[in-house]
Amino acid sequence: ELKVEQNPLFLSMQEGKNYTIYCNYSTTSDRLYWYRQDPGKSLESLFVLLSNGAVKQEGRLMASLDTKARLSTLHITAAVHDLSATYFCAVEFMNSGYALNFGKGTSLLVTP
Amino acid sequence: NAGVMQNPRHLVRRRGQEARLRCSPMKGHSHVYWYRQLPEEGLKFMVYLQKENIIDESGMPKERFSAEFPKEGPSILRIQQVVRGDSAAYFCASSRGDSPLHFGNGTRLTVT
Repeated sequence: ELKVEQNPLFLSMQEGKNYTIYCNYSTTSDRLYWYRQDPGKSLESLFVLLSNGAVKQEGRLMASLDTKARLSTLHITAAVHDLSATYFCAVEFMNSGYALNFGKGTSLLVTP
Repeated sequence: NAGVMQNPRHLVRRRGQEARLRCSPMKGHSHVYWYRQLPEEGLKFMVYLQKENIIDESGMPKERFSAEFPKEGPSILRIQQVVRGDSAAYFCASSRGDSPLHFGNGTRLTVT
């Protein structure tokens, strides 16, 4: 069974702090995506990770991929309130067509 | 450059009625995907279509749900005889097939 598990599911952190969100998946993957969703809004693509060891950074967010461990991380550096949102990882599994399998999401709240 | 357009944004139906959700992909995109999101959950894949063809409908319920992507016009997700459990946000995404998905703003269906 194809599984994508994120943790934590809820995260409250203070501005200025660092934290990491984890995404584990159950079998070999072609690609891994990170999306951001604000309440009542659509999904915004943040990162696409294509190969083992891939690391991408945009502002205070950095995503990495370890295909051997079947693990991706989304690291938040010096959080600010504007980062409050729900973050989803999604995995494109080999032999599943083009369907993305999503984790349940991590609801992040950044407080002053 | 318009993104993925979904309408309506909100749809209220009584039990037993039909719901029709429309999705116009981004210009140049011929691949369309439908996902369903329940509250506090990630997105669940429903169906993947190309023009006039259903490529993968492994996530579609066997009854009451159907999807099409005609040669002309938007993709349609149709739910017949809606029940309360169909209440969810339905997201459409499009791509060129070898590129990341771009999501629409979703249609929030409420069944009363």
